[in-house]
Amino acid sequence: DVKVTQSSRYLVKRTGEKVFLECVQDMDHENMFWYRQDPGLGLRLIYFSYDVKMKEKGDIPEGYSVSREKKERFSLILESASTNQTSMYLCASSLQDGYEQYFGPGTRLTVT
Amino acid sequence: KQEVTQIPAALSVPEGENLVLNCSFTDSAIYNLQWFRQDPGKGLTSLLLIQSSQREQTSGRLNASLDKSSGRSTLYIAASQPGDSATYLCAFLPGTASKLTFGTGTRLQVTL
Repeated sequence: DVKVTQSSRYLVKRTGEKVFLECVQDMDHENMFWYRQDPGLGLRLIYFSYDVKMKEKGDIPEGYSVSREKKERFSLILESASTNQTSMYLCASSLQDGYEQYFGPGTRLTVT
Repeated sequence: KQEVTQIPAALSVPEGENLVLNCSFTDSAIYNLQWFRQDPGKGLTSLLLIQSSQREQTSGRLNASLDKSSGRSTLYIAASQPGDSATYLCAFLPGTASKLTFGTGTRLQVTL
């Protein structure tokens, strides 16, 4: 079974802090994704990566950056956390373009 | 831009009923379609993937169909159980990209 893990289930940070969210997949998938999910807005893509050190902006990249130094790990970075970044963050991976996406358990981030 | 609509937004049925969840989309140039379930506060679990060349996929009590000409997909759940209570999301992969477009979901409650 494909397994996608995220470093934290719940996280509370203060405004202005630098925040790292980590995602690891164990199935040698090429593609990895970061989404955020908010009530009434559904899932929105922040960034995705189709190879090591490669990244593409999604629909809402502002205020975020990403890092993919190893194939299995994709990190989402909030350079200076703000209250409007309070959300559920979901990581996903897929073998290649067009293949099934598998999601991690999510990280609920609260910025105070 | 692809728009994805899921109707109804919420549904409550008694245990044992067969039910259909609907998903409609505006652009027929899709690569594949994926159905997910999401339990409260959790990540997404992939249920079924239908390639654009297929008309349906089955997994246990679940059957998903795809009709590109009418811009619709349906998820059929047979003999519903309380454990089926969750939010169900459909998502489309467009023909030229790896970014899923998600519907807003149907919240299902199966009562005893």
